[in-house]
Amino acid sequence: AQKITQTQPGMFVQEKEAVTLDCTYDTSDPSYGLFWYKQPSSGEMIFLIYQGSYDQQNATEGRYSLNFQKARKSANLVISASQLGDSAMYFCAMRVSGGSYIPTFGRGTSLIVHP
Amino acid sequence: GAVVSQHPSWVICKSGTSVKIECRSLDFQATTMFWYRQFPKQSLMLMATSNEGSKATYEQGVEKDKFLINHASLTLSTLTVTSAHPEDSSFYICSARAGLARAKNIQYFGAGTRLSVL
Repeated sequence: AQKITQTQPGMFVQEKEAVTLDCTYDTSDPSYGLFWYKQPSSGEMIFLIYQGSYDQQNATEGRYSLNFQKARKSANLVISASQLGDSAMYFCAMRVSGGSYIPTFGRGTSLIVHP
Repeated sequence: GAVVSQHPSWVICKSGTSVKIECRSLDFQATTMFWYRQFPKQSLMLMATSNEGSKATYEQGVEKDKFLINHASLTLSTLTVTSAHPEDSSFYICSARAGLARAKNIQYFGAGTRLSVL
């Protein structure tokens, strides 16, 4: 069975600074995908970034980058130059090829960006 | 990115009535859709997996007669909360999975529906 762990219930960062949100995972399946979603107070889940287990390079999407350390089984999200609008819940998720592609979500991290 | 539309975004109903929530994939065909329930400050709890043209697969502990799921087409899945009671009040959110050939099998989510049962 796969497992996603987000150990930071809450994080604070000052505007324009970078922040790292931690995510570790556990699976015995060699083929898997890792995702990060953002959920603002409105409730919608916004897809941010994806990393495949066989991808050689860390994924990047604008201000978001995924620090993928396969040996450590970690997939931390790095947000550069934080903005007030980045304040939200952030969920890490994983799906494995042998799990009908149904992702497992972590408990989430609440990020607050202050001026 | 792909767009998933969920309607209504907010509904208040009396106890004992049924509520239908629609989930549509607007620019792609979704053979599989998922329904989640989310309690305040918690993660998403998968309720069921909806496959087009077949019966939904419910997670353990989810009452299939209570939460009726219909996936009548490749772009539409509906969740009906039958005989709703106050304990059914929650945030329900659907997602649609883009196929393997598109966008790495990423799940795209609707905006969610806040259900309040009086």
